[in-house]
Amino acid sequence: QQQVKQSPQSLIVQKGGISIINCAYENTAFDYFPWYQQFPGKGPALLIAIRPDVSEKKEGRFTISFNKSAKQFSLHIMDSQPGDSATYFCANAGKSTFGDGTTLTVKP
Amino acid sequence: DADVTQTPRNRITKTGKRIMLECSQTKGHDRMYWYRQDPGLGLRLIYYSFDVKDINKGEISDGYSVSRQAQAKFSLSLESAIPNQTALYFCATSRLNEQFFGPGTRLTVL
Repeated sequence: QQQVKQSPQSLIVQKGGISIINCAYENTAFDYFPWYQQFPGKGPALLIAIRPDVSEKKEGRFTISFNKSAKQFSLHIMDSQPGDSATYFCANAGKSTFGDGTTLTVKP
Repeated sequence: DADVTQTPRNRITKTGKRIMLECSQTKGHDRMYWYRQDPGLGLRLIYYSFDVKDINKGEISDGYSVSRQAQAKFSLSLESAIPNQTALYFCATSRLNEQFFGPGTRLTVL
């Protein structure tokens, strides 16, 4: 039933590098594409989201890129910092289904 | 005060016991959700409710039941707990698309 597939499962990046996490979706009826961030011991929290009428949205160091034809959306973290180390989830907002998560580790 | 609270935060119980997890919210949202999180499996939807009189099964509802006592309260019950229900449980609320999560309940079934 999973409607979003996320990759990679884990990612290690050096401080200052670019982190890229991808999400492929199946249902073309989505109208909201979110990324959630979860720190250990905490619940997930919305990081950034995009609607399909735009191809990119940037908030500080975080950017969502949306490719409607490929049914994919990606999270880019520029100038990655150790404080960005967390687990990231993409989601199908309409069905309340989440990807399996990507554990990001940013090494100092 | 936290907008979404869950009690208890940690619970250890034995196989066959009945257990209830509670969720309260002060955000005024109509929609509430229960998820479980297992390592490597992300968040899986157990039940959701779009208002007090609306209860819907999610992806993995077997072995669970819920009660929506009020707009602000949504409880999850395990009628007869089993070890594979050991997991981290999250409650969430939303008005529309963005979901707001509680801090989670870590449940261990021995």
